[in-house]
Amino acid sequence: EAGVAQSPRYKIIEKRQSVAFWCNPISGHATLYWYQQILGQGPKLLIQFQNNGVVDDSQLPKDRFSAERLKGVDSTLKIQPAKLEDSAVYLCASSYLLEQGRETQYFGPGTRLLVL
Amino acid sequence: KNEVEQSPQNLTAQEGEFITINCSYSVGISALHWLQQHPGGGIVSLFMLSSGKKKHGRLIATINIQEKHSSLHITASHPRDSAVYICAVSRGGSEKLVFGKGTKLTVNP
Repeated sequence: EAGVAQSPRYKIIEKRQSVAFWCNPISGHATLYWYQQILGQGPKLLIQFQNNGVVDDSQLPKDRFSAERLKGVDSTLKIQPAKLEDSAVYLCASSYLLEQGRETQYFGPGTRLLVL
Repeated sequence: KNEVEQSPQNLTAQEGEFITINCSYSVGISALHWLQQHPGGGIVSLFMLSSGKKKHGRLIATINIQEKHSSLHITASHPRDSAVYICAVSRGGSEKLVFGKGTKLTVNP
């Protein structure tokens, strides 16, 4: 079974530029998550989708971050414009949704973003 | 105060030693997860548990719901166990995970 795919793996941009990340979850997984992991910290949930609907985006900085999952499969996360503090690893994860509250999430390799 | 606290932050051991990493949480949970993160960012789920104990190979995870505490044990540690071990809790409903900051484990040969 193929895992969660993410691209690009690395990205370096200057502040105020825009950047987009792509995620393709495991086939059949209804739930998709985007996390931000700043160096030395645990991941922080940015947004959670179930199929193509948003379940939780309470910690997404909506003035600069946006995400979509139009067909309920792959997803894109965009930052526009980027700030220095956005430098982090952006992780995508997916889960099948067998039982509420008892899901195993499968993580992609992450996209490492450096904003200069 | 973070909802999920891990200790220690950093741990260095010699190959073969028995290792314990602790996790305490302050909220009601539906499940607790232990994850492993290797350099380069990839995260692998090790355990998901809501009571008692689970074992997989040399890894053992325990949870005490009353005390809001979990431990991850590694027996006969090996250099390939070197990684960051992250504790996370889910609170049911949307399955949102709240993560600890991780414990960086280094096992020297």
